[in-house]
Amino acid sequence: QKEVEQDPGPLSVPEGAIVSLNCTYSNSAFQYFMWYRQYSRKGPELLMYTYSSGNKEDGRFTAQVDKSSKYISLFIRDSQPSDSATYLCAAYNTDKLIFGTGTRLQVFP
Amino acid sequence: NAGVTQTPKFRVLKTGQSMTLLCAQDMNHEYMYWYRQDPGMGLRLIHYSVGEGTTAKGEVPDGYNVSRLKKQNFLLGLESAAPSQTSVYFCASSPGRNEQFFGPGTRLTVL
Repeated sequence: QKEVEQDPGPLSVPEGAIVSLNCTYSNSAFQYFMWYRQYSRKGPELLMYTYSSGNKEDGRFTAQVDKSSKYISLFIRDSQPSDSATYLCAAYNTDKLIFGTGTRLQVFP
Repeated sequence: NAGVTQTPKFRVLKTGQSMTLLCAQDMNHEYMYWYRQDPGMGLRLIHYSVGEGTTAKGEVPDGYNVSRLKKQNFLLGLESAAPSQTSVYFCASSPGRNEQFFGPGTRLTVL
């Protein structure tokens, strides 16, 4: 079992939709969680990170961590075609990030 | 600031050849990382460094070596390339222990 699991998708939604991207993790010691966005043929870029449980909001993006169920979510409101990318969740563990495999999102006009 | 840069951007090797990938960062970060990304496998950590002169193994270190002689540079070496090492390689650096900044990647094909 991978320490961080993520549905690879692809997920295809119309412009303006609310998108929910999810990951699960197995190690209850994980405290920091991150979401990266990766456009095609580019390096990943940090979108948001959260510490422990709770929500964090940044514009149209909300990151949520539920430690009781070991569940990480990223919500995108009013999705745009420019949000089309692969989204990677990650958990920090002793000097390293453990990444999920990524979910490919396509937002069509 | 250039951030994290990687050299070269593309490379084609024959089986058995050697090469070195260079990663440079101008953010004075202590931590640096090398990953490979393959379809369906996500990002897998090859080696990393927590400071100048230090290196440590990641999840998939076999067939690779690294060196961190200067704080701003992290080199990844392939001594005898194999087709299984065909991948996209990403370097990242971090100021602390969580947030990582990635370079643009190197696409390597081993024939």
